[in-house]
Amino acid sequence: QLQLQESGPGLVKPSETLSLTCTVSGGSITSSGYYWGWIRQPPGKGLEWIGSIYYSGSTYYNPSLKSRVTISVDTSKRQFSLKLSSVTAADTAVYYCARLESGSYGGGAFDIWGQGTTVTVSS
Amino acid sequence: DIVMTQTPLSSPVTLGQPASISCRSSQSLVHSDGNTYLSWLQQRPGQPPRLLIYKISNRYSGVPDRFSGSGAGTDFTLKISRVEAEDVGVYYCMQATQYPYTFGQGTKLEIK
Repeated sequence: QLQLQESGPGLVKPSETLSLTCTVSGGSITSSGYYWGWIRQPPGKGLEWIGSIYYSGSTYYNPSLKSRVTISVDTSKRQFSLKLSSVTAADTAVYYCARLESGSYGGGAFDIWGQGTTVTVSS
Repeated sequence: DIVMTQTPLSSPVTLGQPASISCRSSQSLVHSDGNTYLSWLQQRPGQPPRLLIYKISNRYSGVPDRFSGSGAGTDFTLKISRVEAEDVGVYYCMQATQYPYTFGQGTKLEIK
């Protein structure tokens, strides 16, 4: 079955760029109707949607982070990536990648999640 | 942005008893395609979120039938008919009708 796995540095210095990759296994990243997203969760807090990408490269970002976020996809590697620039301590969180099946094809919900990776912003 | 408000934020429940969580959106979640993209997720301690319910009332694959969802427009409810020990965790509602996608604050389900 399809699985997602986040990878990347667990520690990032303030003002630098956070870079994470999500690898898709057991299924295709180019299947029609599926969007690939990033969601984060600060320690002890709730979930925040960062943004999503379609395999064609179309991106959708949370306006609260849009100026600092870039999400890209590499279909040949079955990966999609997150870059968050100019990070501060407020960006410390568990970062999840997840799949959303569009409403046209299915439930319009994040149905498959990675295990999450903890990123700490600290000098 | 659509604001999702959950009540209660904490819910102590006796094993075997029902539980109910409410989620209210700041505007209608009915999409232009006629669907309502309201989902419920469960997050057990130390685990990633897990999809329980999508499009208000559809149980995701493998989800026990003691979980049910209902509602329309701006008011939605997740019900657990008989709480089991494995149901402990935080429950989130989420809307995917309009960008940016938004989540409720979470409701912590605890056993009394």
